[in-house]
Amino acid sequence: DAGITQSPRYKITETGRQVTLMCHQTWSHSYMFWYRQDLGHGLRLIYYSAAADITDKGEVPDGYVVSRSKTENFPLTLESATRSQTSVYFCASSEDRDYGYTFGSGTRLTVV
Amino acid sequence: QKEVEQNSGPLSVPEGAIASLNCTYSDRGSQSFFWYRQYSGKSPELIMFIYSNGDKEDGRFTAQLNKASQYVSLLIRDSQPSDSATYLCAVLSGNTPLVFGKGTRLSVIA
Repeated sequence: DAGITQSPRYKITETGRQVTLMCHQTWSHSYMFWYRQDLGHGLRLIYYSAAADITDKGEVPDGYVVSRSKTENFPLTLESATRSQTSVYFCASSEDRDYGYTFGSGTRLTVV
Repeated sequence: QKEVEQNSGPLSVPEGAIASLNCTYSDRGSQSFFWYRQYSGKSPELIMFIYSNGDKEDGRFTAQLNKASQYVSLLIRDSQPSDSATYLCAVLSGNTPLVFGKGTRLSVIA
């Protein structure tokens, strides 16, 4: 399917476990982003990538790891999940830095 | 820290009225401005963008930008109940990715 897809849609994990959220886009967009959305905080940038093998930190990177070995994939890993990482995670992509972003459907993560 | 401020609402307007959503930003050097609509439980969807001072119209939507006042707004004419959503303002500054406001919840009453 064309577009940007995230998986899983819902995930429950335990404190201390490692979990990976997947993001795949079919447009060959250069830029990809991970945001988390929490009540009272809005959308906050975790990490972003301008191209394969190029990643950079956003506003709230602690506790997260990203990689981008292929243009189309941008997985987000929580190395040791904490309750404070319970959130809705959105992946987005963009053809160019100055263009608007297209968002995936999101992953609702609950850490218990 | 670059900031984007929006009134959280809810903003309630009757069906057929004009809804006016406002946003201010802190970085005077910001160059691009975006409005996203987010329905409850869904992902944000881009509806408008504006780069230059003045107005930009697209159907029932008009984006207004005033860089001197660091102010951007979104007008929705002939508001419909289907316009009920949270509207996110996002600002692009320098080389950093989009910074989003917390959103304004709009409720259009039939």
